[in-house]
Order: sequence, then C-alpha cells, then structure tokens
Amino acid sequence: NAGVTQTPKFRVLKTGQSMTLLCAQDMNHEYMYWYRQDPGMGLRLIHYSVGEGTTAKGEVPDGYNVSRLKKQNFLLGLESAAPSQTSVYFCASSYQGRIGNEQFFGPGTRLTVL
Amino acid sequence: TQLLEQSPQFLSIQEGENLTVYCNSSSVFSSLQWYRQEPGEGPVLLVTVVTGGEVKKLKRLTFQFGDARKDSSLHITAAQPGDTGLYLCAGAGSNAGNMLTFGGGTRLMVKP
Repeated sequence: NAGVTQTPKFRVLKTGQSMTLLCAQDMNHEYMYWYRQDPGMGLRLIHYSVGEGTTAKGEVPDGYNVSRLKKQNFLLGLESAAPSQTSVYFCASSYQGRIGNEQFFGPGTRLTVL
Repeated sequence: TQLLEQSPQFLSIQEGENLTVYCNSSSVFSSLQWYRQEPGEGPVLLVTVVTGGEVKKLKRLTFQFGDARKDSSLHITAAQPGDTGLYLCAGAGSNAGNMLTFGGGTRLMVKP
C-alpha cells in the first residue's frame, strides 16, 4: 500500500504558466482534499471531493480548479499561476461516514511561482 | 467560518522538560484531531477526541478536549528530541465531507 502519493514533489513556474498536480490514493477512500500550507497559517482547504465525479469549493478556491474523474485520483490545476500561489500543496483522503474520520496525507508538492 | 487559534506558535525546550500546547476556538466542534508533521512530509494523525471533557493518553502525550468542545490541549511529559516537529490541531464540524479546520500549528524543538 502506497497510501497517498503526489506528483511532482517540486516545481518552479513563471507567472502566467499553468500546471496540474496529481494526487493518487490506493485506500479506496471516498473523500479527497487539496490543501495549501503557508508559514503560520496551518493548512487551508482549497477544494474537496466526496466522490467520483463530484467536487466542491473549500476556504481558498480562487485561482484553482479540480477534477475527480476516477475515484483514486484527484487533480489540482492552476490555469495562470501567480506568485501568491507559492506554497506547499498537500492532498489528503479519508473514509466517508462518521464525523471526525482520520485524513491521510500525501508528502506534499513544493511550488514556487516566480 | 470556524477558526482555531494555537499557542504558542514556537517552542524551544530542553530534553526532559514538560510542555503544553493549546488550541482554542469560539466555535463548537463535533470532534478535534491532533496531527504531527515532520519536515518534508504530510501531517500524521496522533489522536481524535470526540466527547467534551475527554482525556486521551498516548505514551508521554496527553490530549484533552474542553467540556464545551471549543478547545483542546496537548501536554507532553519529559519531552525528547524525537518529539520535535509541527503539531497541528484540527476541528471537525457537523458537515458532509468530513472537512477539517486547522489551527496555525505549534513548531516544537526539543534540544538534547
């Protein structure tokens, strides 16, 4: 079991460029999440999905899009990167069901936008 | 919007000392989780507390959920260098999707 994997691990973009971050999980989880982590601000939810084919906005969705075409994958897209999107991005997944289920996190993607 | 305030933000102590990290909110949470994050890795769950007043122990770590389910604390006894890391509290509301609200984190360094 690989758990939650993320690609790439590091990326440098120029302002205005686009990219897609890929998250994959092999635990058959229904729920998946994308967070960004900035110093002193903990983790902030960007978008999430409660099942294949469904997505919803989180706390900080502007500038990002997501897709969940397959249950095991959750893609995060930046159409036109801005320096404010420099951050560490984490994907997570969890079982559906009772409130407070554990979220399992990937190792993160460090993105720098110049 | 539910907010979680963690304090202190940074803590540097000597091996063997005790410490307490606090997580406070004006909102009520259905449950609260504590995660630990190592550099270059994602957070890993330490514990989930659900009932107001609940106390859970994990070896030298003691977690408490406030009676009103608005706050929590993490106490470490006789800290060791291996406890070094970023500690995050996260509250779950009564929402579909199991969404969590994270605190800003407490960065702990335990010096040998």
